[in-house]
Amino acid sequence: AQTVTQSQPEMSVQEAETVTLSCTYDTSESDYYLFWYKQPPSRQMILVIRQEAYKQQNATENRFSVNFQKAAKSFSLKISDSQLGDAAMYFCAYGSSNTGKLIFGQGTTLQVKP
Amino acid sequence: DADVTQTPRNRITKTGKRIMLECSQTKGHDRMYWYRQDPGLGLRLIYYSFDVKDINKGEISDGYSVSRQAQAKFSLSLESAIPNQTALYFCATSDDQTDRWDTQYFGPGTRLTVL
Repeated sequence: AQTVTQSQPEMSVQEAETVTLSCTYDTSESDYYLFWYKQPPSRQMILVIRQEAYKQQNATENRFSVNFQKAAKSFSLKISDSQLGDAAMYFCAYGSSNTGKLIFGQGTTLQVKP
Repeated sequence: DADVTQTPRNRITKTGKRIMLECSQTKGHDRMYWYRQDPGLGLRLIYYSFDVKDINKGEISDGYSVSRQAQAKFSLSLESAIPNQTALYFCATSDDQTDRWDTQYFGPGTRLTVL
């Protein structure tokens, strides 16, 4: 069975600085997808970024980018030029191509200090 | 209007009561999912449905049942609510007609408290 681990329950960053959130996963599948979702205090789950495992190029979305290390089964999220609106809980998720299901990590709460 | 809606948004109920959480979507997606979120545990899959005639148990289906009334509607029922079912519940959808079939879109969530 697949598992997703976020080892940092809480992180903080100064406004305008860069922060990296860690995620590791375990799987025996070769074809899968990885995601980062953001959950602000409104509790809405918002897709931040998506990575296809067969692509070596790291996904980017504006200030958000990932460092995807397939061999190490690591999928970290880098937020550049942090803004107050980035404060939220961030979830890493693994998407199985075989089952079509998502498996989530425990979440990391990010605080942005002005 | 939101693409994925959930009703109610908040609900307080008592132990032993039957309760239904409803999810509707206007995205035209075939796949729908129910999750619960608990602090420190992330989101866990309760049930999922890939089309109207296809219902599957997720990792924590005990104590829950679902009904897929139409492509756009997927309801979650707690037949006899218990306090450890107090959680935030999310409905999600995905579109298996595109190459983004893997990407799920979430409703706003229902905060359920069982006393």
